Amino acid sequence: ELKVEQNPLFLSMQEGKNYTIYCNYSTTSDRLYWYRQDPGKSLESLFVLLSNGAVKQEGRLMASLDTKARLSTLHITAAVHDLSATYFCAVEEDQGGSEKLVFGKGTKLTVNP
Amino acid sequence: KAGVTQTPRYLIKTRGQQVTLSCSPISGHRSVSWYQQTPGQGLQFLFEYFSETQRNKGNFPGRFSGRQFSNSRSEMNVSTLELGDSALYLCASSQGSSGNTIYFGEGSWLTVV
Repeated sequence: ELKVEQNPLFLSMQEGKNYTIYCNYSTTSDRLYWYRQDPGKSLESLFVLLSNGAVKQEGRLMASLDTKARLSTLHITAAVHDLSATYFCAVEEDQGGSEKLVFGKGTKLTVNP
Repeated sequence: KAGVTQTPRYLIKTRGQQVTLSCSPISGHRSVSWYQQTPGQGLQFLFEYFSETQRNKGNFPGRFSGRQFSNSRSEMNVSTLELGDSALYLCASSQGSSGNTIYFGEGSWLTVV
């Protein structure tokens, strides 16, 4: 059974600082997704990583995937308050074409002025 | 283009009742998935439909069921509601091939009293 672990679960950081959120998963997969969720809102797609070594960047966020280590990272550069949200990684479970996502528990990020 | 649309957005039901939630995917998307989000269990996969066929099902009791229509719209039904069914139910749509971006709707907030 695929398990996805994120850490840290809570992250409080100062504006302007850098930090990394880690996402480990337990079985082979080369399709990993990052989502952002604001309180009371739905999930906003950030990145889709589809191969080993994939790296994608959007603004102050950069995500990477190492399928050999079964690890993805979401790096935050020079954080700003608007990045405060909960970030989820999700791994697509390989089940014959089905798009079942297994989610981590999420990292609640608070960026303080 | 319009995103994933879910109705109703909020509802309150009594234990023992049943509920039907509706989801209209993004135009052209053939895959619809449903997820349950609770503070305790996080985001859990319920089921996925593709071209009117259930492609995968999560570990939920038989009280949870779904279907997809020929226009890709989907409904999920929960019968004999329990207090523990109180959750945010999220519908997601994609084109249906592994690795496509999966877009989520705003969700239906269900409270069981």
